[in-house]
Amino acid sequence: GQNIDQPTEMTATEGAIVQINCTYQTSGFNGLFWYQQHAGEAPTFLSYNVLDGLEEKGRFSSFLSRSKGYSYLLLKELQMKDSASYLCAVRGRMDSSYKLIFGSGTRLLVRP
Amino acid sequence: DADVTQTPRNRITKTGKRIMLECSQTKGHDRMYWYRQDPGLGLRLIYYSFDVKDINKGEISDGYSVSRQAQAKFSLSLESAIPNQTALYFCATSDPRAANSPLHFGNGTRLTVT
Repeated sequence: GQNIDQPTEMTATEGAIVQINCTYQTSGFNGLFWYQQHAGEAPTFLSYNVLDGLEEKGRFSSFLSRSKGYSYLLLKELQMKDSASYLCAVRGRMDSSYKLIFGSGTRLLVRP
Repeated sequence: DADVTQTPRNRITKTGKRIMLECSQTKGHDRMYWYRQDPGLGLRLIYYSFDVKDINKGEISDGYSVSRQAQAKFSLSLESAIPNQTALYFCATSDPRAANSPLHFGNGTRLTVT
């Protein structure tokens, strides 16, 4: 079966660093995406990993280990506007083609 | 900026009514998708279309149907709405030419079935 796990909620302090973990078990693998979603709004794309290692994009970094079925999203220098849900999504095989399969999301609360 | 537009943004309807949610895009993407989002369950795929003549069921297609009227338009219908179809619905597009192409989402339709 297809399964993506991430923590339901996390809390962190403004200016700090937070790491949001994602583990997955999917039929096939063709990339992992992280999205940010503010309450009541559309998800927006943050990062993409298909090879093992770290991808850095400003304050946000994402890591992938395919052998462990594991990824994390690292947010540095947290700002209040980073309070949002963070969705891990894996492009796995569904029927005869690859589709994005989403985790339930991690709600991050940034406190002053 | 190119966009994915969903209408309506909010809709309240009664059990048994037929309802259509519409999606149009100006991104020129061939692939379009309908997802629903429920608290604690994440985004689940209802239907998807890779071009105008292609329609495919997703994880949770029962009770829904779709129509791909043109490359830019993909509508979702609930033939006879029921309360457990109350959810936030998202349309999305993607570009098949790029392996790392993410989904581009519309702003969502909040549907309530009473």
